[in-house]
Amino acid sequence: DAKTTQPPSMDCAEGRAANLPCNHSTISGNEYVYWYRQIHSQGPQYIIHGLKNNETNEMASLIITEDRKSSTLILPHATLRDTAVYYCIVRLSPMNSGYSTLTFGKGTMLLVSP
Amino acid sequence: GAVVSQHPSRVICKSGTSVKIECRSLDFQATTMFWYRQFPKQSLMLMATSNEGSKATYEQGVEKDKFLINHASLTLSTLTVTSAHPEDSSFYICSAQAGSTEAFFGQGTRLTVV
Repeated sequence: DAKTTQPPSMDCAEGRAANLPCNHSTISGNEYVYWYRQIHSQGPQYIIHGLKNNETNEMASLIITEDRKSSTLILPHATLRDTAVYYCIVRLSPMNSGYSTLTFGKGTMLLVSP
Repeated sequence: GAVVSQHPSRVICKSGTSVKIECRSLDFQATTMFWYRQFPKQSLMLMATSNEGSKATYEQGVEKDKFLINHASLTLSTLTVTSAHPEDSSFYICSAQAGSTEAFFGQGTRLTVV
């Protein structure tokens, strides 16, 4: 799986948008970009994933650059409960590979403050 | 999302004893389950991957005789830490996947060996 680079930490004010960047310059054509988050002392939670088109769900939006070498996870209105470590992972889709393990990097610690 | 339940959430055991951690997929049949370990201030590290009815595949450096994994049914996988020692104290997390769907994580088990 391709490696990703994320800033170690970010701050965001409650109610504002949180934009978390991720670089994945070695991503291959059949690898997806996945985002998970881990709130302290809990298991990771799936957020969103995409291949090349921008994606949006009830939790977040995912913006992938045209060359697919980087992406941004957007939490439109951050709340205190969004404080967590956010992991950007590139991997093959389970639909293509049966199953594909997730390799976690160090992620970005997002701190949402009042 | 799908629900994956781990039990117990916390366990303290004496050095030399064995501890069993259960991982259940509550609303789907998990063809593949993954076990991770996370030390303080570090990221998740994959320990092993198991498919229902077959032997688990362990990552390099993980002792298969020490970390026994059983995936006897499509809804249950167990991890047994045998002859636990203080250095085995960690946060153990399972995830489950049904065929080509995404992986969902349990809430984790905090193991403390005294």
